[in-house]
Amino acid sequence: QVQLVQSGSELKTPGASVKISCKTSGYTFTNHALNWVRQAPGQGLEWMGWININTENPIYAQDFTGRFVFSLDISVSTAYLEISSLRTEDTAVYYCARGMGLYNYGDFDSWGQGTLVTVSS
Amino acid sequence: SYELTQPPSVSVSPGQTARITCSGDALPKKYGYWYLQKSGQAPVMVIYEDRKRPSGIPERFSGSKSGTMATLTISGAQVEDEGDYYCYSMDNSGYPVGAFGGGTKLTVL
Repeated sequence: QVQLVQSGSELKTPGASVKISCKTSGYTFTNHALNWVRQAPGQGLEWMGWININTENPIYAQDFTGRFVFSLDISVSTAYLEISSLRTEDTAVYYCARGMGLYNYGDFDSWGQGTLVTVSS
Repeated sequence: SYELTQPPSVSVSPGQTARITCSGDALPKKYGYWYLQKSGQAPVMVIYEDRKRPSGIPERFSGSKSGTMATLTISGAQVEDEGDYYCYSMDNSGYPVGAFGGGTKLTVL
């Protein structure tokens, strides 16, 4: 079955960086877009962007340019989200979510379990 | 940036019909998607491409769209349908980007 398994919780200080992994299995990695979604404590879902697995071209939502980087290791069917210069307001649960097809249309049919990133001094 | 507007909350009694709306300028030309997030869990897609139901989603969930508004209808809502519902659509920029609505908390009691 399709699975997206994310790395564990992280506690970071402001200014540090963090890299979250999303290891996939149960499907052909290169046939589906991979999206990232943020959820701050008690808040709604924010779509951060997606990465085209075939071209490895990332596309970022307007609020997630600059400090956020999507990457891939196709050899191990894994996607990564790296956040640099962390701020306290980056404290959130970060989800990876598979698209139904190669391109992003908003059709997120499988989700990782989420990774809590806490940024605190 | 693109915005989708949802009511903050909807409340119904068990067995009643719950309707959750989502308004956005791109919806006349873009599909709407609906997600349910139960407390402490990852979201689950309940409707895709305006009105299609993924496998495993009960038939009481249906979707529709008219103009700039998409609607999720739960016919005969059950207590287990409680949670936060989010809509999503792409925007009209021609670039493959979109957004979630602010979410609607459904209470069934």
